[in-house]
Amino acid sequence: GAGVSQSPRYKVAKRGQDVALRCDPISGHVSLFWYQQALGQGPEFLTYFQNEAQLDKSGLPSDRFFAERPEGSVSTLKIQRTQQEDSAVYLCASSLGGGGLNQPQHFGDGTRLSIL
Amino acid sequence: AQKVTQAQTEISVVEKEDVTLDCVYETRDTTYYLFWYKQPPSGELVFLIRRNSFDEQNEISGRYSWNFQKSTSSFNFTITASQVVDSAVYFCALSEDTPLVFGKGTRLSVIA
Repeated sequence: GAGVSQSPRYKVAKRGQDVALRCDPISGHVSLFWYQQALGQGPEFLTYFQNEAQLDKSGLPSDRFFAERPEGSVSTLKIQRTQQEDSAVYLCASSLGGGGLNQPQHFGDGTRLSIL
Repeated sequence: AQKVTQAQTEISVVEKEDVTLDCVYETRDTTYYLFWYKQPPSGELVFLIRRNSFDEQNEISGRYSWNFQKSTSSFNFTITASQVVDSAVYFCALSEDTPLVFGKGTRLSVIA
């Protein structure tokens, strides 16, 4: 597609359930990023891939959060045993180059996750 | 440590007015990059501009202009002759070749 595609657009889950969020980056983009955006706040970095390699996962808030990009294109962010504080918008972004983190990033519309 | 401050939480202007969104940053590095992104109600962040720390030239793109001043660690964004379609949340962000650090954003409402 022309842009970064995320699915689902909205996800409601009960506390304790596992969820999986999908990101389809722009074709050919080497770098892929996940961010968490709480209401009224700016996005906060979670993790970063260059092709299939996860180069930085320092922003993942706990070991309940796991991300993968096995073939260097589509990525999945998984949250296990969800908690209410996980409620947020999860944004995915991609950038063309793999040379650094200072390249312009193209964002998807996000997945709004609500934990009941 | 990196930090971006956008002191203006919300701004309302009447259409055709000029408006400036402030951004102040903190960094210990001499090489860094500054960004502005726009987030309309649809939720998708739209890239507007990237500026590196060695280029202090101000930039103009249509109704948009940016003023980068290293002396005051500021990278302000001005919209001239605002339009209703400019209504959005605007984020300033910083990278030292590290993951982007965003400010909390400024919500701009342009009233017809």
